Amino acid sequence: AQSVTQLDSQVPVFEEAPVELRCNYSSSVSVYLFWYVQYPNQGLQLLLKYLSGSTLVKGINGFEAEFNKSQTSFHLRKPSVHISDTAEYFCAVRGLSGNTPLVFGKGTRLSVIA
Amino acid sequence: DTGVSQNPRHKITKRGQNVTFRCDPISEHNRLYWYRQTLGQGPEFLTYFQNEAQLEKSRLLSDRFSAERPKGSFSTLEIQRTEQGDSAMYLCASWSSGELFFGEGSRLTVL
Repeated sequence: AQSVTQLDSQVPVFEEAPVELRCNYSSSVSVYLFWYVQYPNQGLQLLLKYLSGSTLVKGINGFEAEFNKSQTSFHLRKPSVHISDTAEYFCAVRGLSGNTPLVFGKGTRLSVIA
Repeated sequence: DTGVSQNPRHKITKRGQNVTFRCDPISEHNRLYWYRQTLGQGPEFLTYFQNEAQLEKSRLLSDRFSAERPKGSFSTLEIQRTEQGDSAMYLCASWSSGELFFGEGSRLTVL
């Protein structure tokens, strides 16, 4: 079984500042990793995913994440945030084998301050 | 591209009533998932289908909950004898090419 820990429930940051949203996972098998974003009153949208290959993954809206197997982390970063990035961000993990469902963290609310 | 469609978007019901939610996945997506999301929490897995076969159910899915996907296309999630603790957003998603595509959810409020 897999689990995800998002270390910060809320992250306030000023506009144009950099941000890092932290995610650690636990799994006894190799995993796929994902970040989803949920804007107010909208469904979840995929930001980026790590399936294999390069450990630095680039996603939409200028976000990127780095898979660190030794630290079991998949932190999300953006060098300069915009007001429109204000949303809830969810890290998720899935085991490689079979059809195991995605397991989500509790989310981090990013609030960008003008 | 019609995306994943869920209805109704909002449902308010009295405790003890039955409710049913419908999900229309992206066409040709064989795998369909139901999740539940409560305030301040991430989505929690309930169940999933491969075509019409229900392959896995979470312990969260009590015997008051039933899900179907009779023809391998749309799916329904029924909650019988609703309780206040059932109040949540019910999310449907379909899977393709290593990605879950979510609908906008059906919000249930049990009074």
